[in-house]
Amino acid sequence: DAGVIQSPRHEVTEMGQEVTLRCKPISGHNSLFWYRQTMMRGLELLIYFNNNVPIDDSGMPEDRFSAKMPNASFSTLKIQPSEPRDSAVYFCASSPRRGGYTFGSGTRLTVV
Amino acid sequence: GIQVEQSPPDLILQEGANSTLRCNFSDSVNNLQWFHQNPWGQLINLFYIPSGTKQNGRLSATTVATERYSLLYISSSQTTDSGVYFCAVGAGGKLIFGQGTELSVKP
Repeated sequence: DAGVIQSPRHEVTEMGQEVTLRCKPISGHNSLFWYRQTMMRGLELLIYFNNNVPIDDSGMPEDRFSAKMPNASFSTLKIQPSEPRDSAVYFCASSPRRGGYTFGSGTRLTVV
Repeated sequence: GIQVEQSPPDLILQEGANSTLRCNFSDSVNNLQWFHQNPWGQLINLFYIPSGTKQNGRLSATTVATERYSLLYISSSQTTDSGVYFCAVGAGGKLIFGQGTELSVKP
């Protein structure tokens, strides 16, 4: 089991550019979560999917953020256009129907 | 929504000492996990423990769901235990994190 795989590990981009973060959940897990971690706000849930369907996106900060899960093995989080205040570590996690979450290694995003 | 409070916020230990970290939560939950975030930023799942007691080596955890708290015990601490310990609780699918306890173990 390779765990939850996120890419890229680091991303540096200029303000206004589009950023796409990618996640491959653990095979057989039916739920997928996107979190953001900052010093000020800690770990915040942005959105989660159950069986590829978005269930709760109330944590998505604004319309510049969007997330998709086209199939059970892939999800993306897109920011367009990016702003400096989006700089954070973005984590993806997956979980089975019963049981704990497993987190990926995160993507450190810096918007300059 | 569910509130999660962890204590203490910071803890400094000498290597070999024992410690207890506490997590209080405000509502009934069906998921509770303890995570360790190491100095490289990785979030490592320590325990999935919505109720009862579990042990894994020098670490153990107890959740008393009826009283809405969980405890994480670290015995014979080592410098590699340093980092931030998060408690996260969930009901209805999503996991809400506490602010963490930052542990520093000195040699």
